[in-house]
Amino acid sequence: EDQVTQSPEALRLQEGESSSLNCSYTVSGLRGLFWYRQDPGKGPEFLFTLYSAGEEKEKERLKATLTKKESFLHITAPKPEDSATYLCAVQAHYGGSQGNLIFGKGTKLSVKP
Amino acid sequence: ETGVTQTPRHLVMGMTNKKSLKCEQHLGHNAMYWYKQSAKKPLELMFVYSLEERVENNSVPSRFSPECPNSSHLFLHLHTLQPEDSALYLCASTQGHSTAVYGYTFGSGTRLTVV
Repeated sequence: EDQVTQSPEALRLQEGESSSLNCSYTVSGLRGLFWYRQDPGKGPEFLFTLYSAGEEKEKERLKATLTKKESFLHITAPKPEDSATYLCAVQAHYGGSQGNLIFGKGTKLSVKP
Repeated sequence: ETGVTQTPRHLVMGMTNKKSLKCEQHLGHNAMYWYKQSAKKPLELMFVYSLEERVENNSVPSRFSPECPNSSHLFLHLHTLQPEDSALYLCASTQGHSTAVYGYTFGSGTRLTVV
């Protein structure tokens, strides 16, 4: 069964304190791994898609990396406006969930000034 | 504004009511989705429409009934709901269901409370 596990569930950082969020996955042939940001009362906002192990993508203070079993979202020198819930999702080539995005529960990030 | 608009933003309904959620996208996408988001749970896929045909129905109770009259509009008709159906209902769209290269574009959701 395709599955996504995110850790930690919640993370509190001081402004400027860099850290990483983890997304572990099992999937029947990975077509793509997606990172989203979700602010309270809003829908998820697309950040990155990663397709193959070794791939990296960056956007401002965020950098996403991918291995064959997990992905990391690195946050460098975070600011309070980076506070949000970060969601990871995978899309499979094969199996019952083929084509659909399977989401993890998310990591709630709080950055204090 | 993301390009996917959901109405209403908030809805309170009794267990015997009938109501509908509406989703509209003008991004030229050809696949649309309904997701349910409950506290402490992952987003749960409910329905998938690709090229206006339903391609997925994830064992959703019949009290939820989707409708996709065209590629820009998606509805979720609700009747005789239960309190455990209270959640944030999210609509999303993308170009190409099986590839989703650019990810899904989500609306802001409808916060549903069943009393």
